[in-house]
Amino acid sequence: EADIYQTPRYLVIGTGKKITLECSQTMGHDKMYWYQQDPGMELHLIHYSYGVNSTEKGDLSSESTVSRIRTEHFPLTLESARPSHTSQYLCASKPPGAVRNGYTFGSGTRLTVV
Amino acid sequence: GNSVTQMEGPVTLSEEAFLTINCTYTATGYPSLFWYVQYPGEGLQLLLKATKADDKGSNKGFEATYRKETTSFHLEKGSVQVSDSAVYFCALTDGYGGSQGNLIFGKGTKLSVKP
Repeated sequence: EADIYQTPRYLVIGTGKKITLECSQTMGHDKMYWYQQDPGMELHLIHYSYGVNSTEKGDLSSESTVSRIRTEHFPLTLESARPSHTSQYLCASKPPGAVRNGYTFGSGTRLTVV
Repeated sequence: GNSVTQMEGPVTLSEEAFLTINCTYTATGYPSLFWYVQYPGEGLQLLLKATKADDKGSNKGFEATYRKETTSFHLEKGSVQVSDSAVYFCALTDGYGGSQGNLIFGKGTKLSVKP
């Protein structure tokens, strides 16, 4: 049973629209992540956060932005969607303490920009 | 920095076949090692992990042993089922301790099991 929730699960949207992908977790985790998953299934880290008011860019440059106003909420926004943004987006969080506890992932949002 | 390499897919097996997905790593210190599984249309789920050398992680019939001498963490299952069809990711901790640490993921191996 997932304790990290992503909405919507699927989204088809026109070019130029502004969109926000939602990610919420009920576990009180401080560290959260956004990954973009390409069709070949490889994961690319695009944003992460250490906690409230903390946001950092990941390894893959992305035109998206994130915010972290509340511990449980880590939304991702695209100001002007383009077909190149079509992808699966996965949100994850990490329990407190050492990273050897691993991450918890949401079910993902599959975004299609037409 | 730490890195992980896993065998490229796709891997196609018949039901009840033996599965091995290779994973090797490069790391300083003593990373923790993980296998995650992603079923179609879903996010990643932790399948098993090992936190020190010679540890064996196991779950749902899958096993992997942390081999420091060969820097490997190969995933095995004795008899796969159609329901095991998924993408499997090997991962390790990045070498930073405590709460600052992150996971580094392999590129994923897609497994298809045919009846």
